[in-house]
Amino acid sequence: DAGITQSPRHKVTETGTPVTLRCHQTENHRYMYWYRQDPGHGLRLIHYSYGVKDTDKGEVSDGYSVSRSKTEDFLLTLESATSSQTSVYFCAISELGEQYFGPGTRLTVT
Amino acid sequence: GENVEQHPSTLSVQEGDSAVIKCTYSDSASNYFPWYKQELGKRPQLIIDIRSNVGEKKDQRIAVTLNKTAKHFSLHITETQPEDSAVYFCAVPPLRETSGSRLTFGEGTQLTVNP
Repeated sequence: DAGITQSPRHKVTETGTPVTLRCHQTENHRYMYWYRQDPGHGLRLIHYSYGVKDTDKGEVSDGYSVSRSKTEDFLLTLESATSSQTSVYFCAISELGEQYFGPGTRLTVT
Repeated sequence: GENVEQHPSTLSVQEGDSAVIKCTYSDSASNYFPWYKQELGKRPQLIIDIRSNVGEKKDQRIAVTLNKTAKHFSLHITETQPEDSAVYFCAVPPLRETSGSRLTFGEGTQLTVNP
């Protein structure tokens, strides 16, 4: 597996609380992505980054923000978590098209 | 965005049989077509990909074929084994993608190989 880690791997939080998920890579890849995976919906892009401080929205970005202050780290923040954001979140990296995924974070919002 | 349709959504085969999964897309400018395999509880992993300048690519028991005219590409798995059981996703670059980095994923095919 490519050098991608995600933290935490599991989290349970309450509605209305802020949550930050971290993706860390050691491959020095330019592009980083956050996806959510839900039954029946495959992988849906939340936000992505094409360089330090360069980010853009994906197809399901409402309720999420991101930051990338270093090449190796891409943070996903849920400002005020809702039950609809219960999901498995995957980070991915790429350089020339092929995307490589992190191990995932299972988030439950109660 | 790019419209990606993947069929079938579920596929059950006997061990040793072949399996075929098909994806259709809408953007004729797409030029990169990967397939991912996701085992239960694991991350998606790239298993094979093809670029638009070739029509077929093989890697041992798996192959991908591309028909750019008809805008579809398929994953072929021969001599299936129980460890091939997983969810398979196709992906294509979204419409007007200029950096060549983003992908739109199909909804997945659950393949079950029965011993």
